[in-house]
This record gives sequence, structure tokens and C-alpha cells, in this order.
Amino acid sequence: AQTVTQSQPEMSVQEAETVTLSCTYDTSESDYYLFWYKQPPSRQMILVIRQEAYKQQNATENRFSVNFQKAAKSFSLKISDSQLGDAAMYFCASKEGAQKLVFGQGTRLTINP
Amino acid sequence: GAVVSQHPSWVICKSGTSVKIECRSLDFQATTMFWYRQFPKQSLMLMATSNEGSKATYEQGVEKDKFLINHASLTLSTLTVTSAHPEDSSFYICSARDLRGPGNTIYFGEGSWLTVV
Repeated sequence: AQTVTQSQPEMSVQEAETVTLSCTYDTSESDYYLFWYKQPPSRQMILVIRQEAYKQQNATENRFSVNFQKAAKSFSLKISDSQLGDAAMYFCASKEGAQKLVFGQGTRLTINP
Repeated sequence: GAVVSQHPSWVICKSGTSVKIECRSLDFQATTMFWYRQFPKQSLMLMATSNEGSKATYEQGVEKDKFLINHASLTLSTLTVTSAHPEDSSFYICSARDLRGPGNTIYFGEGSWLTVV
């Protein structure tokens, strides 16, 4: 069974600085996808970034990028130039093929002005 | 982009009554939808996978007679909490799988707050 682990319950960063959120996963499949979701106080789940396991290049979306280390089964999220609006819960998730999403425990990110 | 709509956003019901929550995919057909429950300060817990035209697949520990799931069309899945009790009060959120995009992208609804009094 696939598992996702986020070892940082809380993180904080100064506005405009860079922060990295950690995530490790485990899967026995070769076809899988990894995701980072943001959940602000509104509770809406917002897809931040997605990585296909077969792609070696790390995904990037504007200020958000990932460090995908396949052999180590690590999938960290880097947020550059942090903004107050980035404050939220961040969930790492994995999906094997067309199967269900499995979420990590979440990391609460605080942005200090 | 694809949109998943969930209704109602907030609902209060009396103990012993039933309440229905709807999840709609607005611009794509979803043969598979997922229902999650989220307790305060915790992650999303998958309750069941809803399959269009067939029975839902429930996760271990989830009472299928308590949480009835119906997926009668390609754009609508419903979750009915039967004989609700205060401990059923929670945030419920659905998601739908869009087969058109890469990696079968999953989109989430806005969620529904259920309070049982």
C-alpha cells in the first residue's frame, strides 16, 4: 500500500524568504504521480504542483518548485519569495496510476510579515 | 479549468435525521468520485470511492449503512449521512477524477460543513 509522510507539522518563514516543505512516500508501483495541495482557511483544496514519476525534470509553477528524488522517495516543495497569501496547510499526496489519492499528515505554514 | 461543485456548503441537522450532500462535476464527466472526511487539524481521510452505475467502495472502518453513497449519473455523486449523531459533525469534501488530462487529474469540491445538534 502506498504511504505518504510529512514530518513537519508546522513551519514558518519570513515574508519574501524561501521555505522548503518535506515529504517522503512509499509505493511499489512504477506508474505514479505526486502532488502538493494547499488548503487555506476556507478549506478549499487547491492543487499547487504535480509531478509525474516517469519525468526526471522537477516540476515548477511560478514560485513553487519541487525536488523530486525518486531513489530516495522524497518529494519536497520549495516556495520562493513567500507571500502572506501562501499561509495555509500543505498536503503532499501520491496516486498510483488511476487509483485514489493518499495524503500525508499536512504541514501548517505560517508567513511572518 | 475543470470545476467540482459541492452543495450545501453548510448544513445543520437534528440528531436522528438524515442529510444529503451533493458533489457535481460541472464541465466533465466523472465516472469516479471520492468522498473524504476531515477532522480539525487533521488530514483528509478517504471514506469511499464512488463509481458511476455501481456500488461504492468503502474504506475499512467506514459504515456503509451510515454513509450512503449514490453515483447515479456521470456528473453527480451524493453522500447521505443517515440517522446523524453529533459525532458525525465534520467537514466532508468530495473530489472527482477527470480522465481527460494527464495523470487523471483530481479536482476537489469546496467542501461541506455538517453540524449535528
